[in-house]
Parts: sequence; structure tokens; C-alpha cells
Amino acid sequence: KAGVTQTPRYLIKTRGQQVTLSCSPISGHRSVSWYQQTPGQGLQFLFEYFSETQRNKGNFPGRFSGRQFSNSRSEMNVSTLELGDSALYLCASTYLGGSNTEAFFGQGTRLTVV
Amino acid sequence: GENVEQHPSTLSVQEGDSAVIKCTYSDSASNYFPWYKQELGKGPQLIIDIRSNVGEKKDQRIAVTLNKTAKHFSLHITETQPEDSAVYFCAATYSGYSTLTFGKGTMLLVSP
Repeated sequence: KAGVTQTPRYLIKTRGQQVTLSCSPISGHRSVSWYQQTPGQGLQFLFEYFSETQRNKGNFPGRFSGRQFSNSRSEMNVSTLELGDSALYLCASTYLGGSNTEAFFGQGTRLTVV
Repeated sequence: GENVEQHPSTLSVQEGDSAVIKCTYSDSASNYFPWYKQELGKGPQLIIDIRSNVGEKKDQRIAVTLNKTAKHFSLHITETQPEDSAVYFCAATYSGYSTLTFGKGTMLLVSP
């Protein structure tokens, strides 16, 4: 069974640009969550999508947005990039059947803003 | 909202020793507590989890304990090996809800 796939693995962008990251969850998983990981703040929740709907959102500015497609693949977008947006962006896939809450992470996308 | 605190931030042990990482949580509604291991350049890997209806769970050299009253849960690794060296994260959430609140992580270094 294929795991969570995130593309691209690495990105370098300039301040003010925008970026789109992609996540393909495990087959059959309908929930996709995004996290930002930095050395100072650790793992912080960005948002969660389930059946193409954003169900939950963390405390991030509106420059951070996302969407989910009918095949459960998800994208997140960051507009007007700032130096502080440099981080590892992680996607987690969850089945969410019954009480199942196990979340499986992808390898992440390392974003560097210069 | 939920707040998870994790200690210690770094832990150095000799190969063969045991390692213990402790976490506390604030939201009494949380009932699912996973632990993740993150190696350099990789995403977090789920290594063990526990639900609030049990007090302890073991998987070979790894065990997790939960004290609901005190809102504490701990990861125990016995007979540590160099390949156990990584950053370990605890997290909390409730069943059926996929948003995880993470601790800040513990860097475990196992010396041969």
C-alpha cells in the first residue's frame, strides 16, 4: 500500500512569490491535514480537509490556504511569501472510520524563502 | 484548546539503557495519544499509540503508559540501540478527530 506522497520535496522561492504544495493521501483515506514544522515552533496545525471541505483551521494568516479534490488529493497554497514561512510542510493522511484516528505523514516539502 | 508539554527536550543514553520521555496534556476530552519518531530528512513515523480506555500498551521494546487522572503519558524504550536515535514527538487528540496537538519533541541520542 503506497504511503503519503508529497511533492515537491524541496522548493526555493523568493519573498513575495506564491507557492503550491501537493499531497496524495493513502488510498481510502479521506482526511488530509497540513502541518508546519520549524525548529522554534515545532509542529503546528495548519488546516484539515475531509471530503473536499475544510473542517478545521489553525492559527495561521489568510495567506495560507488549501483545498481538497474529489480523489482526496490536497493542495496548500501560500501567497506573498515571507522569510518566516521557511519550514518543512507536512501532510498527514487519516482514514477516520469509527474511532480510527491514526495519522500517517508524508516526507514533507522543505520550503526555503529567500 | 489542547496544550501538550514534553520533557526532556534532549536525552542521551548509552546503548542498552532505557529511555523515558514524558508528556502532559491539558484537555480532559483528549482520548487518543500517538507517538511519532522523526529521523533526519523524513516525516514523522507513527510508532505506537494509546487510547484512554487502557493504561499501558507494549510493542516489543517500546511501551506507552497513560495516567488519565494526572493527564500524563510516557514513552518507554528498553534496550536502546543506535538506530533509535531520532526526534520523538508525543501528541494528543480525540477519537474521530484528526487534528493533532504535538509536544515540542525530544531528541534522543543513543551512543554505542
